[in-house]
Amino acid sequence: GDSVTQMEGPVTLSEEAFLTINCTYTATGYPSLFWYVQYPGEGLQLLLKATKADDKGSNKGFEATYRKETTSFHLEKGSVQVSDSAVYFCALSDGGGADGLTFGKGTHLIIQP
Amino acid sequence: GAGVSQSPRYKVAKRGQDVALRCDPISGHVSLFWYQQALGQGPEFLTYFQNEAQLDKSGLPSDRFFAERPEGSVSTLKIQRTQQEDSAVYLCASSSTRGMANEKLFFGSGTQLSVL
Repeated sequence: GDSVTQMEGPVTLSEEAFLTINCTYTATGYPSLFWYVQYPGEGLQLLLKATKADDKGSNKGFEATYRKETTSFHLEKGSVQVSDSAVYFCALSDGGGADGLTFGKGTHLIIQP
Repeated sequence: GAGVSQSPRYKVAKRGQDVALRCDPISGHVSLFWYQQALGQGPEFLTYFQNEAQLDKSGLPSDRFFAERPEGSVSTLKIQRTQQEDSAVYLCASSSTRGMANEKLFFGSGTQLSVL
């Protein structure tokens, strides 16, 4: 079945550091890929998405590129802020499968001033 | 409403007790999903409604779990004879678009269930 693997957390960085959160996936078809973010006390929010190979999703300074050859969708940001502290989930939708979205376990990001 | 609302925010139940968790989706959203998120894990799909029809319940872990959406808006997830392994955050999500392969989900803040 479909699965998503993302790097374990917590990830602790200083403000203005470069961020990478790795995500790889396994899917039978051609999935759409997503990053969701969960700020403390809030619900999951869609951060960005990509629907086909080589697409780049971007939002709020975050970017991720759909790499079919490496089955990856790594999240990057050039300069993180304290307000980026949250839990980040990589997810996929396999375009008609019976299981809705498949999520990774989440990566807790902590940004220190 | 402005977003997806879930109640209660926290629920503590004794083992064997029945519980009911409520989800108020965004007004007019046809699709509604329930997810279960165990501690330290990502959300896992439980069930999907399109309007009042439950089109997929393949993720419900046992026959103790039951969900309904009788009028195509508010949904209730009921867990009978709760067990400790049911302790988790239960997330509801809704969308204005149809289908399981749904990319435009709006999530509620969840109900944290603790079974003692």
